[in-house]
Amino acid sequence: GQQLNQSPQSMFIQEGEDVSMNCTSSSIFNTWLWYKQDPGEGPVLLIALYKAGELTSNGRLTAQFGITRKDSFLNISASIPSDVGIYFCAGRPNAGNNRKLIWGLGTSLAVNP
Amino acid sequence: ETGVTQTPRHLVMGMTNKKSLKCEQHLGHNAMYWYKQSAKKPLELMFVYSLEERVENNSVPSRFSPECPNSSHLFLHLHTLQPEDSALYLCASSQEWTGQETQYFGPGTRLLVL
Repeated sequence: GQQLNQSPQSMFIQEGEDVSMNCTSSSIFNTWLWYKQDPGEGPVLLIALYKAGELTSNGRLTAQFGITRKDSFLNISASIPSDVGIYFCAGRPNAGNNRKLIWGLGTSLAVNP
Repeated sequence: ETGVTQTPRHLVMGMTNKKSLKCEQHLGHNAMYWYKQSAKKPLELMFVYSLEERVENNSVPSRFSPECPNSSHLFLHLHTLQPEDSALYLCASSQEWTGQETQYFGPGTRLLVL
């Protein structure tokens, strides 16, 4: 099925560094969502974006809905050990089934204290 | 309890067993979802219930049978599963028709089929 191109696949960084990850799609989306999943848990919503160009922050996290409506990025500033986990992007295509989210494969983040 | 809860958290079953997964949402939402999460694959949407009516069935084998008795509860009945069905099964809920439907997930049931 359709999926988003999420990159990078994995990152290993030092505590205190900033992190950036992104998702791209071949079609236009009307919603972008960023989730974090800890081991043994379900995805937890971090940021939801509903308008092209929208820039939203949640603490040290900032996400943007790309102007083309085909991409989104997530930044984490001043990373800490508890940022470790898998980050997923998900989007809702502008056309077709409005219930179905399209998911990326995730970015696995490791933080070295 | 708050959010979305799932039981059991872990399940090991043989291919001839029958078991059920349970999900309960405490968010007052009107839609509920079952997803399958396998390694190296994006989340796979299995079923969607809106106002207790099944509105999505994404080519899921009949050995998976969902049930939604009310808007707060969702079950996934499992029968004669295969080893390749081993995965994390996630339940989610959302409030539809708001224009900003966001799905909230439970912790999942880790299923191992032997």
